[in-house]
Amino acid sequence: DQQVKQNSPSLSVQEGRISILNCDYTNSMFDYFLWYKKYPAEGPTFLISISSIKDKNEDGRFTVFLNKSAKHLSLHIVPSQPGDSAVYFCAAARGNYGQNFVFGPGTRLSVLP
Amino acid sequence: DTGVSQDPRHKITKRGQNVTFRCDPISEHNRLYWYRQTLGQGPEFLTYFQNEAQLEKSRLLSDRFSAERPKGSFSTLEIQRTEQGDSAMYLCASSPQTGTGYSPLHFGNGTRLTVT
Repeated sequence: DQQVKQNSPSLSVQEGRISILNCDYTNSMFDYFLWYKKYPAEGPTFLISISSIKDKNEDGRFTVFLNKSAKHLSLHIVPSQPGDSAVYFCAAARGNYGQNFVFGPGTRLSVLP
Repeated sequence: DTGVSQDPRHKITKRGQNVTFRCDPISEHNRLYWYRQTLGQGPEFLTYFQNEAQLEKSRLLSDRFSAERPKGSFSTLEIQRTEQGDSAMYLCASSPQTGTGYSPLHFGNGTRLTVT
């Protein structure tokens, strides 16, 4: 039972355009959400997070949107750069049940020059 | 901040052998996590320490797996009697304890285990 889903295994975007990565979750107890980026042969690197009390969080080129009623979040990257090409993981945590984070299967983003 | 360090980076072992991995977290982080990642999947939670106390273990952590963090600093993950299904990337992460209860995980570069 996959609690965090990323239904697009891959996404290609032209340099300078917007990249939108999507994530859906099933457990309404999740109250903290994160996005990670992973390059080959490296561990995941934290990008941005959002608490369930907010619906938007912005950090430079990266913005995360949370729609709790739809159990959906998205990561927007504007403008996309070739260095953004990586696998992006969505993760969620649930406060009352401990500190473990549940990750989605990832979306591979390719930014084309 | 030297980051989370994992050793070794790669381990090849024969089925039935025991292996041990080490993780050195960021020095001021008191929370430490082990995750496992297989191809095409996201990291899967294995276990979590706060200081030296192991507070959570996943159902994925069978009896052949054991993790320790004896002095609340580095941690080891041991797999006994390895099986081919144990082949994966083993990731360690750490985070500081904050008043809000949540902080992002900082991952190491992992140990890739191949069981032949």
